[in-house]
Amino acid sequence: TQLLEQSPQFLSIQEGENLTVYCNSSSVFSSLQWYRQEPGEGPVLLVTVVTGGEVKKLKRLTFQFGDARKDSSLHITAAQPGDTGLYLCAGNTGGFKTIFGAGTRLFVKA
Amino acid sequence: NAGVTQTPKFQVLKTGQSMTLQCAQDMNHNSMYWYRQDPGMGLRLIYYSASEGTTDKGEVPNGYNVSRLNKREFSLRLESAAPSQTSVYFCASSDNRGLTEAFFGQGTRLTVV
Repeated sequence: TQLLEQSPQFLSIQEGENLTVYCNSSSVFSSLQWYRQEPGEGPVLLVTVVTGGEVKKLKRLTFQFGDARKDSSLHITAAQPGDTGLYLCAGNTGGFKTIFGAGTRLFVKA
Repeated sequence: NAGVTQTPKFQVLKTGQSMTLQCAQDMNHNSMYWYRQDPGMGLRLIYYSASEGTTDKGEVPNGYNVSRLNKREFSLRLESAAPSQTSVYFCASSDNRGLTEAFFGQGTRLTVV
């Protein structure tokens, strides 16, 4: 059974702090996505990474795909209350079946 | 431009009752998916439809059936609801294989008592 483990499960920080969340697996993925989900809403795609070692930036968010395409990280610089939400990673091995991690719930206090 | 629309948003069923969750997308996407989200378990794929006229089982298909009515619509049916099916259900669509660029609906919160 393929698994995607996310850590930490929960993170509560002050506005302005930096943070990193991790997504790890023993499986090799052809692509990996990061989503953010707010209460009562569906996940919203933030980024897709496809190449080992790839780094993508989205304003204050930096996403990295591991060299072996088994893991990924999301780093947020100077977190803001608007960053609060559930961050999900999702990996695809090339077919139609994408697996999701359980998520990291981030709370940024003003 | 609504994206992915799911109905209903909330539903309470008694054990043994049946219901159909509706999903429609207006992005002309080929692929559509049904997921369930449970606390601490992430999203799990129930069924997917790679293209109009085809459907396939995902990770947790037992107790569910689906219909890809046309390119826009993909419905999920619970024939005899069980408390274990209490969950939040999400429909998603994408133009690519495997949710590379995926759009999700707002979800249906289902409680089976």
